Amino acid sequence: EAGVVQSPRYKIIEKKQPVAFWCNPISGHNTLYWYRQNLGQGPELLIRYENEEAVDDSQLPKDRFSAERLKGVDSTLKIQPAELGDSAVYLCASSLIGGAGDGELFFGEGSRLTVL
Amino acid sequence: QQQVKQSPQSLIVQKGGISIINCAYENTAFDYFPWYQQFPGKGPALLIAIRPDVSEKKEGRFTISFNKSAKQFSLHIMDSQPGDSATYFCAASGETSGSWLTFGEGTQLTVNP
Repeated sequence: EAGVVQSPRYKIIEKKQPVAFWCNPISGHNTLYWYRQNLGQGPELLIRYENEEAVDDSQLPKDRFSAERLKGVDSTLKIQPAELGDSAVYLCASSLIGGAGDGELFFGEGSRLTVL
Repeated sequence: QQQVKQSPQSLIVQKGGISIINCAYENTAFDYFPWYQQFPGKGPALLIAIRPDVSEKKEGRFTISFNKSAKQFSLHIMDSQPGDSATYFCAASGETSGSWLTFGEGTQLTVNP
């Protein structure tokens, strides 16, 4: 069974440029998460989807970040414009049902963003 | 808001030794406490998890000890192996506190051969 797939793995951009990350969760997983992991720190939630509905997005900096999960399957996270402080690894995760306490989160390998 | 505090930041252990990583949480609404393991260039992967109705859970060489009154839990790795060298994250979540995982800052474990 394929795991969570993310692309691109690496992205280097100039500040003020836009960037987008794509995530394909494990088949059948209704819940999808985007986390941001700064160097040497633990992941921090940006947004959580139940199917196509964003149910937890209070952590998402909405002035420059946007996300969508059309048809309740794959998802895209966009940053426009990017700032130096956005350099981080963006992790996508999925789980079968419900909230984190209902079971295991499966993470992708992440998309490492460097903003110059 | 730092809701899960993890220590130490880094840990060096000899092969065969015991690795101990500690976490403390603040939110009493948390009711699920997993540990995730992350290798360089990979995403975190679930190692072991516990709920507050038990004080200890063991899976192979990995044990979680949970102290509800102190709001602390710890990961013990027995007979540590070089292959255990990774970053370990504790986490917590609760249905009434937001159904997502809040992670600690991580502990980089190095097991010397």
